[in-house]
Amino acid sequence: ETGVTQSPTHLIKTRGQQVTLRCSSQSGHNTVSWYQQALGQGPQFIFQYYREEENGRGNFPPRFSGLQFPNYSSELNVNALELDDSALYLCASSLGGQAGNEQFFGPGTRLTVL
Amino acid sequence: GIQVEQSPPDLILQEGANSTLRCNFSDSVNNLQWFHQNPWGQLINLFYIPSGTKQNGRLSATTVATERYSLLYISSSQTTDSGVYFCAVGNYGGSQGNLIFGKGTKLSVKP
Repeated sequence: ETGVTQSPTHLIKTRGQQVTLRCSSQSGHNTVSWYQQALGQGPQFIFQYYREEENGRGNFPPRFSGLQFPNYSSELNVNALELDDSALYLCASSLGGQAGNEQFFGPGTRLTVL
Repeated sequence: GIQVEQSPPDLILQEGANSTLRCNFSDSVNNLQWFHQNPWGQLINLFYIPSGTKQNGRLSATTVATERYSLLYISSSQTTDSGVYFCAVGNYGGSQGNLIFGKGTKLSVKP
């Protein structure tokens, strides 16, 4: 069984740039959720993709967007980067898009915005 | 929305000691997970426990859903147990499918 993978591991960008982060779900899972974790805080929900459709969104502006591919892998795109976007970005996969489903996390992508 | 509170925020133990971490939540849940975040940031699943009691080696967890709290027990702690422990919950009232995390308990186990 393949676990959740994310790429890249680290990324440095400057304000105003755009970034794309990638996530491959655990084998057999059809749902990917994205979270942002600022230093010293718990992760915060950005959005979830279930069967290639957005299936819920947290309190993040529209410059945070995503998509899911037919193989259930997913991308998180952030436009017009701001300094406060510096954080650890985590993706989680699950079987099904309901809140009751156990989620499994990848190793994260650490984004630094200068 | 649902609120999740973890206590204590920080805990320092001597190797071999036992500890109890607590998670209180403000509404009914259908998902509760405990995680250990390692120094590299990865969240390691410890328990999926929306209700009842589970044990895995030196770790065990109990969730009393009717009283809206969960406890994580660590026995005979080891230095490798150090890190941040998060409780996260999900319920149908929230944004579909999301987990709501507490602020975590930072555990330091001294040799």
